[in-house]
Amino acid sequence: DTGVSQDPRHKITKRGQNVTFRCDPISEHNRLYWYRQTLGQGPEFLTYFQNEAQLEKSRLLSDRFSAERPKGSFSTLEIQRTEQGDSAMYLCASRPDKNTEAFFGQGTRLTVV
Amino acid sequence: AQTVTQSQPEMSVQEAETVTLSCTYDTSESDYYLFWYKQPPSRQMILVIRQEAYKQQNATENRFSVNFQKAAKSFSLKISDSQLGDAAMYFCAYSYTGTASKLTFGTGTRLQVTL
Repeated sequence: DTGVSQDPRHKITKRGQNVTFRCDPISEHNRLYWYRQTLGQGPEFLTYFQNEAQLEKSRLLSDRFSAERPKGSFSTLEIQRTEQGDSAMYLCASRPDKNTEAFFGQGTRLTVV
Repeated sequence: AQTVTQSQPEMSVQEAETVTLSCTYDTSESDYYLFWYKQPPSRQMILVIRQEAYKQQNATENRFSVNFQKAAKSFSLKISDSQLGDAAMYFCAYSYTGTASKLTFGTGTRLQVTL
């Protein structure tokens, strides 16, 4: 399978715990995006990488959130001290060039209890 | 800031019939792209159709076509000969030609297809 892969698919965590999600983009896609989708809403942009450089971050990305993309390949999104409001689907997308089709992963559904 | 509005939370269409999903957007940019994405239940989002703002001709992809009205900032999706597999959430999205070219999504329209 050469699509965008996200791991884990589901994560249940207790409030205050740290969680980390992984995204493996399509090979050779230098642009990688993280989005958050809550129930009944469309995805909202969190952050963008071009290769290994994080070039844009949304104001939604509080200081409890950090994302990396070492070597411009896979990416991780870490949430520290999780809160119930962090419960959402976290989507990763990649594309080879701007304004081309963005390919999405199946997402990681986070539930904070 | 760019915004995308989908005013139809749910729509229903009978199999083989035609349905139109509405989308309006707001932007001060002149060069941008518009998309319709489909999100089936528990499956990843996939691109249905894409429109470049500088093109006057409406995009078509098989049974899917758009009505792009740039002056009105309207971008509707028409699905012809609806099939059961078309049932999904449909999101309208906007992207401008900036560095990130991030997608700004509407709130989605849930499409039901009935027999």
